[in-house]
Amino acid sequence: AQSVTQPDIHITVSEGASLELRCNYSYGATPYLFWYVQSPGQGLQLLLKYFSGDTLVQGIKGFEAEFKRSQSSFNLRKPSVHWSDAAEYFCAVVPGSSNTGKLIFGQGTTLQVKP
Amino acid sequence: KAGVTQTPRYLIKTRGQQVTLSCSPISGHRSVSWYQQTPGQGLQFLFEYFSETQRNKGNFPGRFSGRQFSNSRSEMNVSTLELGDSALYLCASSLSLQTYNEQFFGPGTRLTVL
Repeated sequence: AQSVTQPDIHITVSEGASLELRCNYSYGATPYLFWYVQSPGQGLQLLLKYFSGDTLVQGIKGFEAEFKRSQSSFNLRKPSVHWSDAAEYFCAVVPGSSNTGKLIFGQGTTLQVKP
Repeated sequence: KAGVTQTPRYLIKTRGQQVTLSCSPISGHRSVSWYQQTPGQGLQFLFEYFSETQRNKGNFPGRFSGRQFSNSRSEMNVSTLELGDSALYLCASSLSLQTYNEQFFGPGTRLTVL
């Protein structure tokens, strides 16, 4: 079965430090990959997505992610974290079908930012 | 452009009751999906609707049902509520079923079952 793993449940970084959130997926073919962010009391907001092409994708709020087929990974990065980035981050996949929006989510990573 | 709206935002029910949640998609969006979010199970897909037809269904019991109206608004219903149904229910809308269309999420309905 398709699955998404976010190994880190909770991460704390200092403001201004770099960030990398890990995501691994289990699927035979290349899925469609997404990163979402959820602030407390809010719905989910799309940060970026990967469908094909350049394996390094740029998103909103200064985030980027790199797709690595050999590692079945789609890690999210930001060079310098801001206090407002504190939130929960979800990696998600749509497993290889283009006619559905059904998302399979990872368990999420909670990001805490230290001043 | 108004975002996805969900009503009510908060709901408290007792076991055995039923509940109906509503989702109004962004104007022009024809696809609506529902997700359940709990601390233990995370985000799980419930249903996906397009043009008033259910196109996909997640692995939930038959107590969970939904529908979509001709104006693309959607409702989901949970009958015979159980304590484990306490969750944040999120609705998302997109232009169509195509995966490349961004899904926009509403703020959710927080359901508490006592």
